[in-house]
Amino acid sequence: EAQVTQNPRYLITVTGKKLTVTCSQNMNHEYMSWYRQDPGLGLRQIYYSMNVEVTDKGDVPEGYKVSRKEKRNFPLILESPSPNQTSLYFCASSHSLASYEQYFGPGTRLTVT
Amino acid sequence: ELKVEQNPLFLSMQEGKNYTIYCNYSTTSDRLYWYRQDPGKSLESLFVLLSNGAVKQEGRLMASLDTKARLSTLHITAAVHDLSATYFCAVGEYGNKLVFGAGTILRVKS
Repeated sequence: EAQVTQNPRYLITVTGKKLTVTCSQNMNHEYMSWYRQDPGLGLRQIYYSMNVEVTDKGDVPEGYKVSRKEKRNFPLILESPSPNQTSLYFCASSHSLASYEQYFGPGTRLTVT
Repeated sequence: ELKVEQNPLFLSMQEGKNYTIYCNYSTTSDRLYWYRQDPGKSLESLFVLLSNGAVKQEGRLMASLDTKARLSTLHITAAVHDLSATYFCAVGEYGNKLVFGAGTILRVKS
């Protein structure tokens, strides 16, 4: 089954404790992206990747890191989480953003206390 | 900086009625996307619009794009309860960035 998976689905952590949210897709997609969703703000793009070893900043990259060492995986790293990073995070992938629809993962709800 | 504005942000409508959701954006783009999100769920792609005058239809939903007016519309025909969801438009910015609108919460009442 074609899908985008994220882990964990729910996470409660404390300020400053490094964490990684994994994202994996099995569709051989080149484009992958991370978004955060906050009430009233829609989704905001954090980082995106056009292919292996090619990443670029979205609108809200501060406090986040990403890597794309393999085509299927695109982990999101929070080196020192803060409460303002409490949010719902979505990973998405597509063959190429220009022409194709994006497939979204199920979401990761992160709470930083 | 690209800004994307959706109107209305909340829409309550009766079953069987027609309505339109508007998506305005502030800078030139030729790529616009519509998504649906059910409560507590992820996003589902509805339409990809890539050129001026593009029109796409799926069931009771029809999306169009006017790049000169920087406007896309999502028209709902004869609404049914199953269409209740939050609808987002998103606009492609330079490179491969994507900027989303705040979303329109649609509630269809029977």
